Amino acid sequence: GQQVMQIPQYQHVQEGEDFTTYCNSSTTLSNIQWYKQRPGGHPVFLIQLVKSGEVKKQKRLTFQFGEAKKNSSLHITATQTTDVGTYFCAGPGLSGGSNYKLTFGKGTLLTVNP
Amino acid sequence: DTAVSQTPKYLVTQMGNDKSIKCEQNLGHDTMYWYKQDSKKFLKIMFSYNNKELIINETVPNRFSPKSPDKAHLNLHINSLELGDSAVYFCASSRKPSGTKSTGELFFGEGSRLTVL
Repeated sequence: GQQVMQIPQYQHVQEGEDFTTYCNSSTTLSNIQWYKQRPGGHPVFLIQLVKSGEVKKQKRLTFQFGEAKKNSSLHITATQTTDVGTYFCAGPGLSGGSNYKLTFGKGTLLTVNP
Repeated sequence: DTAVSQTPKYLVTQMGNDKSIKCEQNLGHDTMYWYKQDSKKFLKIMFSYNNKELIINETVPNRFSPKSPDKAHLNLHINSLELGDSAVYFCASSRKPSGTKSTGELFFGEGSRLTVL
């Protein structure tokens, strides 16, 4: 079945440093989504990427979708303590009922030292 | 107004008991889900329903029985609870998939933390 691998599992940075998490799928994805979960909270949608090679920015966050639509990355510039949390990528299936199944990566837990 | 609400937020119970978690969404979505998040934060889909119809059942033990009385509600009943069932259970909803596209963003409830002793 489809697998979504995410690295690193953990990342600890000093406030102001940059952070990147990477997501790789075993199959081509029609699109990829990113979510953030604060400690003790629930996953919250950040963005969806659809097109091959797409790059989207949200303030200090930059999201990329690979040309082959099999990998994606989230980069945070100049991290702040408010960026603390677990970042998940998620990809849907490609056919039939599996479009109803969003498979999540294992997440990257980001901690920021003030 | 909470978009996706689930109750209870916390459940502590003994092994062998039966418990239920309720979920309601007021977003007008057709599709609802149950996800299980274990202690390592891994989010795994359990069930997906579209307009009250079961679409995805991810080889979940049949002790878990979802029920969707209407498209705004998806409840989860668990029989004969085991230690390994301890986790946070998230309900979520989304638009119905369109063609080859996926559902779009998932809206998650705040989670129900189940502890089995």
